[in-house]
Amino acid sequence: DAKTTQPTSMDCAEGRAANLPCNHSTISGNEYVYWYRQIHSQGPQYIIHGLKNNETNEMASLIITEDRKSSTLILPHATLRDTAVYYCIVSRTNTGNQFYFGTGTSLTVIP
Amino acid sequence: DAGITQSPRHKVTETGTPVTLRCHQTENHRYMYWYRQDPGHGLRLIHYSYGVKDTDKGEVSDGYSVSRSKTEDFLLTLESATSSQTSVYFCAISDQQGAGANVLTFGAGSRLTVL
Repeated sequence: DAKTTQPTSMDCAEGRAANLPCNHSTISGNEYVYWYRQIHSQGPQYIIHGLKNNETNEMASLIITEDRKSSTLILPHATLRDTAVYYCIVSRTNTGNQFYFGTGTSLTVIP
Repeated sequence: DAGITQSPRHKVTETGTPVTLRCHQTENHRYMYWYRQDPGHGLRLIHYSYGVKDTDKGEVSDGYSVSRSKTEDFLLTLESATSSQTSVYFCAISDQQGAGANVLTFGAGSRLTVL
C-alpha cells in the first residue's frame, strides 16, 4: 500500500475552513484515499473516503487532484470540537487490506 | 463504539506475565484488526484477520500472537509481556462496502501498563 505524507501540525481559526493536505505520490489506480480523525484518546473515527472524484458528506469534503498524487480534507466551518489528529490513508480496494495510519496532522482550532 | 467492545479497558501487569486482550463485535464484519498507539508513532498495525482462523502479520507483530476462532472475537496475546509493550491497544473492524471501499470502526481502546 502507498504511504502518505502529512504536516505534523496545523492551526485554524474557529469558524474558518480547515484545509488539511496529504501527499500520496505512489498511489496506485485501485487505492482509495481515506481520512480518519482521533479526538484525544478515543478510537479513530472515519470521516470520508474517495477514489478519483471529489466527495462531500455531512462532516467534510475531500478534494483529490487529477493525478491522484495528493488530496485535501476540508472542514468547511471548523469548531473547537474539530481539534484532533487527522490521518490520511491510502489502501487497496480489494479485501484483506492493511491500513497504515502513520502519525497524522494535529489540528488545533483556535477560538 | 456500538458493536465493538474491548476488554479489559485498563490493565497493569508485570514483566514476563502473559496477557490477553479481547475484541468482541456484534456487526458480523469479516475483518478485524489490532493496533497499538504510542507517542510519536501514531497507530501501528500489529495483526489483522480476514476471516475465522485467517490471520496475518502487520508492521509490528513481534511479541504478539492472535487468534480468531469465531467471527465475533479476535484475541491479542502477549506471551511474555515486556515494558516496551506498554501502550494503548485499539481493535478495529471492517467489511467491504459498495465499490470496494473498506471503512474501519474502532473500539474504545485498552490501556496496558507493563511494570
